Amino acid sequence: EAQVTQNPRYLITVTGKKLTVTCSQNMNHEYMSWYRQDPGLGLRQIYYSMNVEVTDKGDVPEGYKVSRKEKRNFPLILESPSPNQTSLYFCASSLGWGGLVRGPDTQYFGPGTRLTVL
Amino acid sequence: DQQVKQNSPSLSVQEGRISILNCDYTNSMFDYFLWYKKYPAEGPTFLISISSIKDKNEDGRFTVFLNKSAKHLSLHIVPSQPGDSAVYFCAASVNDYKLSFGAGTTVTVRA
Repeated sequence: EAQVTQNPRYLITVTGKKLTVTCSQNMNHEYMSWYRQDPGLGLRQIYYSMNVEVTDKGDVPEGYKVSRKEKRNFPLILESPSPNQTSLYFCASSLGWGGLVRGPDTQYFGPGTRLTVL
Repeated sequence: DQQVKQNSPSLSVQEGRISILNCDYTNSMFDYFLWYKKYPAEGPTFLISISSIKDKNEDGRFTVFLNKSAKHLSLHIVPSQPGDSAVYFCAASVNDYKLSFGAGTTVTVRA
């Protein structure tokens, strides 16, 4: 089954304790991205990657790191979490750009990781 | 500053009637517009999209209308069904794979 998986689904941690949220896709997608969803703000992009070893900042990258060592995996790293990073996080993947006719390819989202930083 | 705005956080509609969701954008460079649907405890899923060269795109019960001069798009769901109760996100891109999302509108379909 084609899917994007995230782990853990729920996490409660304390300020300053490093954590990693894993993301894996089995669709051989080039493009992967991390979003956070907050009330009233919708989905905001944190980081994205167009290919292995190629990553770039999204709209809200502060306090986050990513890596793309393999095509299927795109972990999100919080080196020193703070309470303002309490949020619902989504990983997504797609083929990328579908060309001028199709536009951006459909993004497939993981089920989300609810993170609470105390 | 959010470039894609959904000013109605919620919408309640009776089963069988039309649901109309609105979305405004500020970036005139946006070329593609998409709607995603999200159920609780799940990730968003793609619903329908439209290119800026069109003003309407239809897929079954779902129709998206684009008014470029007003920088406005809307999603019509006809007829609304209980399974349509979800959060709907409007998104846009500038000739690119990156998407900018709105804040979402929660639709509740009443029996």
